[in-house]
This record gives sequence, structure tokens and C-alpha cells, in this order.
Amino acid sequence: QQQVKQSPQSLIVQKGGISIINCAYENTAFDYFPWYQQFPGKGPALLIAIRPDVSEKKEGRFTISFNKSAKQFSLHIMDSQPGDSATYFCAASRSTGANSKLTFGKGITLSVRP
Amino acid sequence: GAGVSQSPRYKVAKRGQDVALRCDPISGHVSLFWYQQALGQGPEFLTYFQNEAQLDKSGLPSDRFFAERPEGSVSTLKIQRTQQEDSAVYLCASSPNTVQELQFFGPGTRLTVL
Repeated sequence: QQQVKQSPQSLIVQKGGISIINCAYENTAFDYFPWYQQFPGKGPALLIAIRPDVSEKKEGRFTISFNKSAKQFSLHIMDSQPGDSATYFCAASRSTGANSKLTFGKGITLSVRP
Repeated sequence: GAGVSQSPRYKVAKRGQDVALRCDPISGHVSLFWYQQALGQGPEFLTYFQNEAQLDKSGLPSDRFFAERPEGSVSTLKIQRTQQEDSAVYLCASSPNTVQELQFFGPGTRLTVL
């Protein structure tokens, strides 16, 4: 059973547009929800993360919206740029306990057209 | 400030060969994680260390996989008698003790088993 599911599978956006990527999770014990960006040949890099005590977090052009009751969270990229073209992964973990391993979604490929 | 480094970056092995993959975490980071990323998929947890102690190895796919971190710094992931299904990118991540879920990833080692 996939614990973290992403949608859509791929996304094409025009430069300057808004990119929206959604994520749903199963395990209600998760309490840390990061988004990672990965370029070809590189490791995932943390973009932004949220905890369930807030419904929204904004850092520059990136915003996470969190809906605890629906067990969903989303990433919004404002004013999308060609340099944002990459694979985006949502993830979830438990910050308490002995192991804060991340459970990742399958990723979505974002293409921003000039 | 150096990030997480991994070596080799690329490894080609013939089926049945043993391989060793190295991870140098960020200096001072107590926690170290190994993940496996199959082509077109999100990373999947393999094993977790806190200092030199391997606290969770539940993600290791078989007893051919072995990881160690003898001095609580550098870690090695060893795969014995490699199989074609072992072909993947192996990612290492480290995190500070105070915020274990905040994980910084290395560039990965791409393993191809022929």
C-alpha cells in the first residue's frame, strides 16, 4: 500500500504561471511533510516543509497548503520559471520516535515552458 | 561547508559481483540514512544509523545488503552477489541530532548491474 500518493504524474506550465502539485497520505502518525526538488543526476534537495499545526507556509515563490482532516497537502509554485523544471517529491515522516525516515511519493515531473 | 558526499558516483557491476558504496555525511550530523531510488520512482528507505548504532534496517531488501558506520561518521553500504534488480541510485542522507527529520541528501551512486 502506497502511503504517500502524488498527483498529477506530470505537469506542463507556461513561464509565469502557477504550478500546483498535490499529495495525499495515509498514516495519521506522520507529522512532518517536506517537499523535495530533484534535478537529473542530483540528490533530492529540500524546498519547503510544514508541520500539521499550521495550514499554510510560504517561502519566496513556494507555498505549502496543508489540510489535516483530508490528509492532503499541496505545493504551489508562483511565477514558475524554466529553472523550476525538475522532479518534485512530497514526503512524510514521524518526527518523534527513534527513526525519522522519510516516506516519499513517486514524484512528478514539472516542465516550465519559456 | 561541504554537503553529503558519496562515492563512487557511478558503478557498473557484473551480476554476482560484490559492491561497496561510501557515504560521507555532513560533519557533526548524528543521523545517517540510506535510500534506494529506482528509475522513475521516489526514494525508498533502506536503513538508519544514529552514530555507529544501526537502529533500523527494516528496508534492506535482502540479506545480501549490509550497511555499517563503525566510527559514527562515514558509512558503507555493501551489496553482495549483485542482481539486476539491484540496479538503482543509492542515496545517503544525514541530519542533525536536534532535527532528525531534516535530511540533507548526497548526489547518490548510480549502480548498474549487467
